[in-house]
Amino acid sequence: QMQLQESGPGLVKPSETLSLTCTVSGDSMSSSSYYWVWIRQPPGMGLEWIGDIYYSGTTYYNPSLKSRVTMFVDTSKNHFSLRLTSVTAADTGVYYCARHVRTPGRRYYFDSWGQGTLVTVSS
Amino acid sequence: DIQMTQSPSSLSASVGDRVTITCRASQSISTYLNWYQQKPGRAPKVLISAASSLQRGVPSRFSGSGSGTDFTLTISSLQPEDFATYFCQQSVNAPWTFGQGTKVDSK
Repeated sequence: QMQLQESGPGLVKPSETLSLTCTVSGDSMSSSSYYWVWIRQPPGMGLEWIGDIYYSGTTYYNPSLKSRVTMFVDTSKNHFSLRLTSVTAADTGVYYCARHVRTPGRRYYFDSWGQGTLVTVSS
Repeated sequence: DIQMTQSPSSLSASVGDRVTITCRASQSISTYLNWYQQKPGRAPKVLISAASSLQRGVPSRFSGSGSGTDFTLTISSLQPEDFATYFCQQSVNAPWTFGQGTKVDSK
């Protein structure tokens, strides 16, 4: 059974860079049917898509975060990563990695999720 | 960006009740609409994709309908394990956007 697990610091100082890694186990990331995503959720609030990455390294970012986001993938280690620069308190929240199913029939949805990791931005 | 608006934001219901949650898109999204369930402290779980296609393993008391801009998630007979927050999400165009959520709690 495929699993995703986020890892990284739980506390980041304002203006610094948030870095998280998602390790995928139980399946290869190198499938043409899947992208890999980061989604975040501020405390008590809704869900915000951060970006998608394909195993080839192709990325798509949310325009609202694009100037601060970088995602990269390492298929040899079966993991992908997120970097978010110049963080503020507004970036505090639970960060999820997930698998984005993209079927040839144009059915796209997030089907497997990590447990999430809380990142707090504070000095 | 496509804005997704859910109503109500919260509702109180009893076990056995029929529950209906609506989701409206700011522009037509055909049937590119997914529904997720999230319990406290847990990651969301996909229930329905393509507006009405039930994911494997999801109980048949859940159903989805709609197309264009208006969509509905229905729980035909609410069970204790269904108390949770439900989100809709459009999958027609990036940035993929979610509704603000509907919290279903016990009356």
